[in-house]
Amino acid sequence: EAGVAQSPRYKIIEKRQSVAFWCNPISGHATLYWYQQILGQGPKLLIQFQNNGVVDDSQLPKDRFSAERLKGVDSTLKIQPAKLEDSAVYLCASSLSQVPTYEQYFGPGTRLTVT
Amino acid sequence: LAKITQPISMDSYEGQEVNITCSHNNIATNDYITWYQQFPSQGPRFIIQGYKTKVTNEVASLFIPADRKSSTLSLPRVSLSDTAVYYCLVPRQLTFGSGTQLTVLP
Repeated sequence: EAGVAQSPRYKIIEKRQSVAFWCNPISGHATLYWYQQILGQGPKLLIQFQNNGVVDDSQLPKDRFSAERLKGVDSTLKIQPAKLEDSAVYLCASSLSQVPTYEQYFGPGTRLTVT
Repeated sequence: LAKITQPISMDSYEGQEVNITCSHNNIATNDYITWYQQFPSQGPRFIIQGYKTKVTNEVASLFIPADRKSSTLSLPRVSLSDTAVYYCLVPRQLTFGSGTQLTVLP
């Protein structure tokens, strides 16, 4: 079974530039998550989708971050404009259902460096 | 929301049993406890999940006492490859703490 795919794996941009990350979840997984993981910290949930609808985006900085999952499969996360404090690993995860007891499967992440 | 607390780091030697305890006061009566493992440059990976008493799978055991205010992840006979960060999580809250860095020494 193919895992969660993310691209790019690494990205370096200057502050105030924009960047986009792509995620392809495991086939058949209805729920998709984006997390931000700053070095030395645990992952922080940014947004949760159920199919193509948003379940929770309470911790997404909406003035600069946006995410979409138009057809209920792939998802993109965008940052515009980037700030230095956005330097982090952005993790995508998927699960069969939003029922909390369902296991989340994580991708390898995209490491973003903002200079 | 339940507050999750776990040790920042632990050291162990190969072949030993390691127990990592997580405290989670005020979890809801229907909350499960889940543990994830994360290696450098990888996303977290599910290890085990439980509700009460004891759960065991091929890699770990999870002990949750009757009051459910804490849980203990038990890794039997660790090896160098078990060096990783271990996270305790209440799945409903989707909040990871800072995790416990386990270092297994030869």
